[in-house]
Amino acid sequence: DVKVTQSSRYLVKRTGEKVFLECVQDMDHENMFWYRQDPGLGLRLIYFSYDVKMKEKGDIPEGYSVSREKKERFSLILESASTNQTSMYLCASSPQGGTEAFFGQGTRLTVV
Amino acid sequence: AQSVTQLGSHVSVSEGALVLLRCNYSSSVPPYLFWYVQYPNQGLQLLLKYTTGATLVKGINGFEAEFKKSETSFHLTKPSAHMSDAAEYFCAVSKIWNNQGGKLIFGQGTELSVKP
Repeated sequence: DVKVTQSSRYLVKRTGEKVFLECVQDMDHENMFWYRQDPGLGLRLIYFSYDVKMKEKGDIPEGYSVSREKKERFSLILESASTNQTSMYLCASSPQGGTEAFFGQGTRLTVV
Repeated sequence: AQSVTQLGSHVSVSEGALVLLRCNYSSSVPPYLFWYVQYPNQGLQLLLKYTTGATLVKGINGFEAEFKKSETSFHLTKPSAHMSDAAEYFCAVSKIWNNQGGKLIFGQGTELSVKP
């Protein structure tokens, strides 16, 4: 089975902190994604990557950056956390030419 | 631009009743369409998908969906609801870009409640 693992299920951080959310997939997928989930808004794409060291902005990249140094790992970085970044964050991966994405369990981040 | 609209943020049915969750999409190219389910405090799990071929798609847990191009719809149904079906359901469309898939555009989600 495809496994996408997010390093933390729950995180509480303070305003202004630099926050790292880590995601690892074990299926050698080329594509990786970070989504944010908020009630009534569904999931929105923050950033995605189709290769190591490659990244593309999604629909809501402001306040975020990403890093992909190895194929299996995709990190989301909140440069200076703010309360409006309190949300559920979901990582996903898909193979090159594939049609569907496989999701991790999610990280619920609270910024206080 | 592609978009997905799910009609109804909350749907409540009785156990044993028909489940119908509505999804309409807009896409300038033939879409790939998906239904995902999310149980409380979990990630998303794929229920079913339509890519090409047969327009009636069967998925896991007794769910199915029909792609209707003329109506730009991809509604999710299940003949008989079970208590374990209570969850949030997301419809999504995938845009193929640079021969890559997986970049999904989601609807707002529909929370399904099942009453005993």
